[in-house]
Amino acid sequence: DAGVTQSPTHLIKTRGQQVTLRCSPKSGHDTVSWYQQALGQGPQFIFQYYEEEERQRGNFPDRFSGHQFPNYSSELNVNALLLGDSALYLCASSLALAGGLQNIQYFGAGTRLSVL
Amino acid sequence: RKEVEQDPGPFNVPEGATVAFNCTYSNSASQSFFWYRQDCRKEPKLLMSVYSSGNEDGRFTAQLNRASQYISLLIRDSKLSDSATYLCVVIGSGNTPLVFGKGTRLSVIA
Repeated sequence: DAGVTQSPTHLIKTRGQQVTLRCSPKSGHDTVSWYQQALGQGPQFIFQYYEEEERQRGNFPDRFSGHQFPNYSSELNVNALLLGDSALYLCASSLALAGGLQNIQYFGAGTRLSVL
Repeated sequence: RKEVEQDPGPFNVPEGATVAFNCTYSNSASQSFFWYRQDCRKEPKLLMSVYSSGNEDGRFTAQLNRASQYISLLIRDSKLSDSATYLCVVIGSGNTPLVFGKGTRLSVIA
């Protein structure tokens, strides 16, 4: 049973470029959440996708967008990259529970993005 | 005030020591609480959930005090392999996202 997989593992971009990160959830999971983790900080919530729609969003600008596909996989897109976007981007998957409750989230190994 | 605050660390302890991490949260409506462990340059992994009655898993004990909005993690008989960053995680009511603390780094020294 594959866990959460993310690609690529590392990425180097320059300011102003655009990037797309990919995530495949754990088998049986239907919800994907994305987090940004800067060096020395805890992960910060970007957004969550369920049933191919953005269900919740954290305090991130519109340059950060995403998508969820019918097979529950997801993409994170960041436009007009800034130096401050350099971070580890983590994808977490979970199974939605009745009543909108959350189940435990399992994380992928992340994509380390460096913006030069 | 940050939503979730943790001891700044780092904690450097000898093997066999007992170490305790503390965490406070600001949202009194928070419903679920967890400790995650994150090794250097790796993803966070769930260590244990935290319940009001307290829970224990081997050398690890987690406690929740809702009145004080305080969560703790106790590690007994520390091992070298316990060296990692420990993240306190809180979920608000309903389907709100995970809110992470900054993490506390533990180094267990031989």
